[in-house]
Amino acid sequence: EAQVTQNPRYLITVTGKKLTVTCSQNMNHEYMSWYRQDPGLGLRQIYYSMNVEVTDKGDVPEGYKVSRKEKRNFPLILESPSPNQTSLYFCASSLSAWVGGSDTQYFGPGTRLTVL
Amino acid sequence: AQSVTQLDSQVPVFEEAPVELRCNYSSSVSVYLFWYVQYPNQGLQLLLKYLSGSTLVKGINGFEAEFNKSQTSFHLRKPSVHISDTAEYFCAVSVSDTGNQFYFGTGTSLTVIP
Repeated sequence: EAQVTQNPRYLITVTGKKLTVTCSQNMNHEYMSWYRQDPGLGLRQIYYSMNVEVTDKGDVPEGYKVSRKEKRNFPLILESPSPNQTSLYFCASSLSAWVGGSDTQYFGPGTRLTVL
Repeated sequence: AQSVTQLDSQVPVFEEAPVELRCNYSSSVSVYLFWYVQYPNQGLQLLLKYLSGSTLVKGINGFEAEFNKSQTSFHLRKPSVHISDTAEYFCAVSVSDTGNQFYFGTGTSLTVIP
């Protein structure tokens, strides 16, 4: 089944404790992206990747890191989480990165992160 | 940066009534426009998208949207809603020449009342 998977689905952690949220897609998609969803703010793009070893900042990259060492995986890293990073996080992927953003994005089920 | 405005945060509507969810965007250059739906506790899925051509776009589940360049709008409509349409709806924009950043609206919560 074609899908985007995220792990963990739920995570409660404490300020300053490094964490990684994994994202994997099995559709051979070039483009991958991370979003955070907050009440009243909708979805905001954190980072995106056009292909392996090619990443770029979205609208709200502060406090986050990403890497794209393999085409299928795009982990989101929080080196020193803070309470303002408590949010619902979505990973998404689309087939091609070189069509000016016209491709449909496929979203994972979300990761609910709470930072105490 | 782009901005996407969804003026209505909550829209209650009776079953079988028509509905319109409004979306306006800020760009004056060529854009691609999307509507996504999010059912409770799920990720987003595409309803429809406008890339070029006909300004009236038809999507899944009986939804359609009309692109209006002069008003920079992309309103979503359905002539007769069903209980199962209760969900959060997001309008999104990408700028066609830079392409790879996406901007989402704040969402509209549609509640269909039996």
